[in-house]
Amino acid sequence: NAGVTQTPKFQVLKTGQSMTLQCAQDMNHEYMSWYRQDPGMGLRLIHYSVGAGITDQGEVPNGYNVSRSTTEDFPLRLLSAAPSQTSVYFCASSYSPPRVTSGRRETQYFGPGTRLLVL
Amino acid sequence: GIQVEQSPPDLILQEGANSTLRCNFSDSVNNLQWFHQNPWGQLINLFYIPSGTKQNGRLSATTVATERYSLLYISSSQTTDSGVYFCALNTGGFKTIFGAGTRLFVKA
Repeated sequence: NAGVTQTPKFQVLKTGQSMTLQCAQDMNHEYMSWYRQDPGMGLRLIHYSVGAGITDQGEVPNGYNVSRSTTEDFPLRLLSAAPSQTSVYFCASSYSPPRVTSGRRETQYFGPGTRLLVL
Repeated sequence: GIQVEQSPPDLILQEGANSTLRCNFSDSVNNLQWFHQNPWGQLINLFYIPSGTKQNGRLSATTVATERYSLLYISSSQTTDSGVYFCALNTGGFKTIFGAGTRLFVKA
């Protein structure tokens, strides 16, 4: 298994440009999510999905769109990049959503991250 | 929303020393996880521990849900333990909330 993969690893954008960050997992996980990590802070949830065709907003969704057309893929779209979106972006997945204490099915696996700089 | 506080924010250890990291939270939780982010940025799940105690090698974790805290113990620290340790919580629904982390540096 490749686990959770993310592309690209690095990206530089100009203000106003759009782009898509790719995330894929080959573990047949139902739950996928996107986080951003800013210096000195923990991870903040942007969007999540509990299965193909189902997405919802996290803590900081403004300026981002997501879709989930397949179980494997969960792309994150920046509609019009702003300097405030400079961050490291992580994609994560788990068998089950993080709310039922059933054990290892909620364990989250993270991708290697995408470092984004918006000028 | 739930408040998550991790302490200490920064910690420097001599190799071989033991340490305790703490995660306090302001509401009841459905689950709690501890993660290690290595110096290259990779996040690895250490424990899934909504309550009780678990051990994995030199690491162990205890969550006392009724008192709203969790502890991560690192014994005989090694330089490879350096990085940032996060606790992450779920209080219901489908969202996970992360603490700000404890940054650990282990000196050789």
